[in-house]
Amino acid sequence: AQSVTQPDIHITVSEGASLELRCNYSYGATPYLFWYVQSPGQGLPLLLKYFSGDTLVQGIKGFEAEFKRSQSSFNLRKPSVHWSDAAEYFCAVGLNTDKLIFGTGTRLQVFP
Amino acid sequence: GAVVSQHPSWVICKSGTSVKIECRSLDFQATTMFWYRQFPKQSLMLMATSNEGSKATYEQGVEKDKFLINHASLTLSTLTVTSAHPEDSSFYICRSSPASYEQYFGPGTRLTVT
Repeated sequence: AQSVTQPDIHITVSEGASLELRCNYSYGATPYLFWYVQSPGQGLPLLLKYFSGDTLVQGIKGFEAEFKRSQSSFNLRKPSVHWSDAAEYFCAVGLNTDKLIFGTGTRLQVFP
Repeated sequence: GAVVSQHPSWVICKSGTSVKIECRSLDFQATTMFWYRQFPKQSLMLMATSNEGSKATYEQGVEKDKFLINHASLTLSTLTVTSAHPEDSSFYICRSSPASYEQYFGPGTRLTVT
């Protein structure tokens, strides 16, 4: 069955520290991969996406993610976290951009 | 970037009443819009795909008679929760795409049924 797993429900980091949010998927083929961020009262802006090509993807706000086929993972990283990065992060996968399967999310808390 | 709005942003209604939620693409046209439901501390679950000019496609387990979807124009889709009950309380989010590889989510609507 197709699924997306975000093992970390809640992560707390200090401002300026590096960040890695994990995402693992189970799919019959290599799907499209996405990371979204959700803040209260706002939509879910797309941070970055992977369709094909270079497995290291650069996104907005200094985020990047690396697709590792052998590990079925698409972890999100940021070298230095800012307080404004505190939010809920969702990984999503799909064979196209229509029917996406979302992970359960990781809540990021940033301490000054 | 493209903007998708939802109205209302939050609504409280009494059990047994119906509530309509609007999703608008403000600066692009979309033949397809998607409706999601999000429970607290949980993921987004696709409820249905709204197609302009035709019937919506509902995901398995979603009651189409309870969650009425109308896609009357290329910029507007509505979700009506009929005869709402407390278990319908949730966060409802729409998604719209100006092109197949672009997607934009609305800010969501918080529904509370008392």
